[in-house]
Amino acid sequence: QQQVKQSPQSLIVQKGGIPIINCAYENTAFDYFPWYQQFPGKGPALLIAIRPDVSEKKEGRFTISFNKSAKQFSLHIMDSQPGDSATYFCAASKRGQNFVFGPGTRLSVLP
Amino acid sequence: DTAVSQTPKYLVTQMGNDKSIKCEQNLGHDTMYWYKQDSKKFLKIMFSYNNKELIINETVPNRFSPKSPDKAHLNLHINSLELGDSAVYFCASSFSLGGGNTIYFGEGSWLTVV
Repeated sequence: QQQVKQSPQSLIVQKGGIPIINCAYENTAFDYFPWYQQFPGKGPALLIAIRPDVSEKKEGRFTISFNKSAKQFSLHIMDSQPGDSATYFCAASKRGQNFVFGPGTRLSVLP
Repeated sequence: DTAVSQTPKYLVTQMGNDKSIKCEQNLGHDTMYWYKQDSKKFLKIMFSYNNKELIINETVPNRFSPKSPDKAHLNLHINSLELGDSAVYFCASSFSLGGGNTIYFGEGSWLTVV
């Protein structure tokens, strides 16, 4: 019940494409859903996050869509750029407990 | 000014050795963590430390032990290293545990056991 599933495992898109990464969770007590971005040789860093009381959050070219009833959320990257090539992790948390991370998606954006 | 810093960045050692990785955060956070990332990029929580007290131990072998001299530092000691310990180890911190907190990760320590 603590697991967060993430797909696809890897994704290759052309520059300008819109990669979509999907995540699903089981524990309805989770109340915070962040996405972390990790570049090669670096630690993960917070990209964008959402709470379950909203269905969508947009920050620049990055959008989270959240479906509370389906217990799913996804990351969309508009007008993707080669500089977006990284590993993306979804996560879920509730107060007082460790974050649960998805297994990650390796995104490659081709020039 | 690095928020979460860890040393060494690279570490190559032989099986059976004992090694330590040091971590410091200058964010004033109360919670620190150690994560292990394997070759498949899975991020696995190893320890959470809140204000110098261990609060969650995620079934890590007791060859691994966290040591926190103060709330800004969380070092990782590994005894009797095994080949399977080869991974990237990330130190991290957050204001408190879970909820809407942001986790700040260090740049990682690449451990290779030969």
